[in-house]
Amino acid sequence: DQQVKQNSPSLSVQEGRISILNCDYTNSMFDYFLWYKKYPAEGPTFLISISSIKDKNEDGRFTVFLNKSAKHLSLHIVPSQPGDSAVYFCAASGNTGTASKLTFGTGTRLQVTL
Amino acid sequence: KAGVTQTPRYLIKTRGQQVTLSCSPISGHRSVSWYQQTPGQGLQFLFEYFSETQRNKGNFPGRFSGRQFSNSRSEMNVSTLELGDSALYLCASSRPSGGLETQYFGPGTRLLVL
Repeated sequence: DQQVKQNSPSLSVQEGRISILNCDYTNSMFDYFLWYKKYPAEGPTFLISISSIKDKNEDGRFTVFLNKSAKHLSLHIVPSQPGDSAVYFCAASGNTGTASKLTFGTGTRLQVTL
Repeated sequence: KAGVTQTPRYLIKTRGQQVTLSCSPISGHRSVSWYQQTPGQGLQFLFEYFSETQRNKGNFPGRFSGRQFSNSRSEMNVSTLELGDSALYLCASSRPSGGLETQYFGPGTRLLVL
């Protein structure tokens, strides 16, 4: 049973436009959400996070939106750059205190074209 | 500072064999978590070790085991390998007081079971 779902396995966006990556979750106990970026042959790297007490968190070109009632979060990248081409994973946790037991989605491969 | 290192990077085994993977965390990090990444399931949490003790465990069969040494290095072992164990195995380390954002991933060990 996939508790964190990324229904779009891939996404192609032109350079300079907005990339929107979506993530849905089913477990209402999740209270902390993270996005990771993964390049080939490298491990995932942390990108941005959001606590369930917020509905938006922004860091430079990256903004994460959380809609708790819909159990949905999205990552916006504006403007998209070719270096953003990677696989993006959303992850959720019901334990914000320690780095353990994250539940990941299956990932969305973003390709930013020139 | 040096990142999380995993050895070996690639491994080919046959069904029924066993395998041991190694993870060296970032210096000063005492928590090590292991994940399995497969195309259909994304990243799935295997277990977490902290100060040589297993602190959390995911939903994997007993064929998957791990341990952590006094220098925080960790190993995971898979016995009686099955074809479905073919995956990328990632480890991640974090500081003792670190939150989820401080979890740093290694590049992974790609295991192929024939």
